Amino acid sequence: DTAVSQTPKYLVTQMGNDKSIKCEQNLGHDTMYWYKQDSKKFLKIMFSYNNKELIINETVPNRFSPKSPDKAHLNLHINSLELGDSAVYFCASSRSQGMSETQYFGPGTRLLVL
Amino acid sequence: AQSVTQLDSQVPVFEEAPVELRCNYSSSVSVYLFWYVQYPNQGLQLLLKYLSGSTLVKGINGFEAEFNKSQTSFHLRKPSVHISDTAEYFCAVRGGGFKTIFGAGTRLFVKA
Repeated sequence: DTAVSQTPKYLVTQMGNDKSIKCEQNLGHDTMYWYKQDSKKFLKIMFSYNNKELIINETVPNRFSPKSPDKAHLNLHINSLELGDSAVYFCASSRSQGMSETQYFGPGTRLLVL
Repeated sequence: AQSVTQLDSQVPVFEEAPVELRCNYSSSVSVYLFWYVQYPNQGLQLLLKYLSGSTLVKGINGFEAEFNKSQTSFHLRKPSVHISDTAEYFCAVRGGGFKTIFGAGTRLFVKA
């Protein structure tokens, strides 16, 4: 059983296209996150939801829009893809938004924009 | 605001040798500290975390870390590494607010 799953695992697309990445967790957690990892492995938070409410919204282009239909799902939609969006996107979840909570990461979605 | 500095971007080491991966943090409030490991083409997973109490924290796979408040450090150690420990290691801090701040990562490369 995969605790945090993401689809697709790989995504190759042209500049200007719109794409979505889906994330699901079966851990019963109420907090979920999206991170972007660049080519130098630097990991940066983009968004976080707690009980379907947005609690972290970092300075990312408004072409990126997260959606949480329920506590177990957090999707990421990206409009008008640009070359600089190429990265690995990780979804994560934690039991709560408490500061001591461990985050559980998905396997990542490798996005390449051509 | 918090920040994390991982002092080495790469650490090559021979199999069965000891290793230390260094992490310093900066914060104006009390923090929780974490070490995560990322194996090739995988997501991150928790190695260990410091919340309170004993400053020596033991984690999975034989790793341990020591919290040093005066030096604002949280270095990760393993007395004898294996080839399978080759991975990227991330130190992270959380204190106040909802964000976890990750360091830039240290690539541990274990050679036979």
